[in-house]
Amino acid sequence: AQKITQTQPGMFVQEKEAVTLDCTYDTSDQSYGLFWYKQPSSGEMIFLIYQGSYDEQNATEGRYSLNFQKARKSANLVISASQLGDSAMYFCAMSPFNTGRRALTFGSGTRLQVQP
Amino acid sequence: SQTIHQWPATLVQPVGSPLSLECTVEGTSNPNLYWYRQAAGRGLQLLFYSVGIGQISSEVPQNLSASRPQDRQFILSSKKLLLSDSGFYLCAWIGTGFDGYTFGSGTRLTVV
Repeated sequence: AQKITQTQPGMFVQEKEAVTLDCTYDTSDQSYGLFWYKQPSSGEMIFLIYQGSYDEQNATEGRYSLNFQKARKSANLVISASQLGDSAMYFCAMSPFNTGRRALTFGSGTRLQVQP
Repeated sequence: SQTIHQWPATLVQPVGSPLSLECTVEGTSNPNLYWYRQAAGRGLQLLFYSVGIGQISSEVPQNLSASRPQDRQFILSSKKLLLSDSGFYLCAWIGTGFDGYTFGSGTRLTVV
């Protein structure tokens, strides 16, 4: 079984500053993927970034980067140069590779508010 | 291109009434399909998943059921809704590769 822990229910950041959203995970699987999703007030789930457990380099997608520390089982999301439009709920999730189920397990989320 | 359609967007139903939410996927074949529920201010909880036509696995005991009558169609149902069935329901799929999960736009269900 997999478990995702997000310990920050809410975060504030000033516009144009960087922010780190924490995520730790627990799994007995050897191969897995880690994901971050953004959920604005409309409810849609927007995929941000993906990291495979065997990827040696941290994933980056534009202003998003994933700080992957496998030994510590952490997969923190870093958002650089925050924008007002970044205000939303952010979810960390994971899925094992080598099972037919391949379902995502989500954390409880972090609400990010970007202040002008 | 691959798209996912989910409807309706919002639904208000009385306690004891039936429910049918539909999700269809385009541009792919033999996807894994998922139904998630999100309570207000919470994370997503997996309700059902399907790896093929007619194959349904339930993750949590509940008042709901799911069916997959066609390869790209996934239906969430209930015979009699409970107040506790209120929430935001999201359908999702992933293809045979591991190139990410795609979510539908969701259905906000309020049982009154």
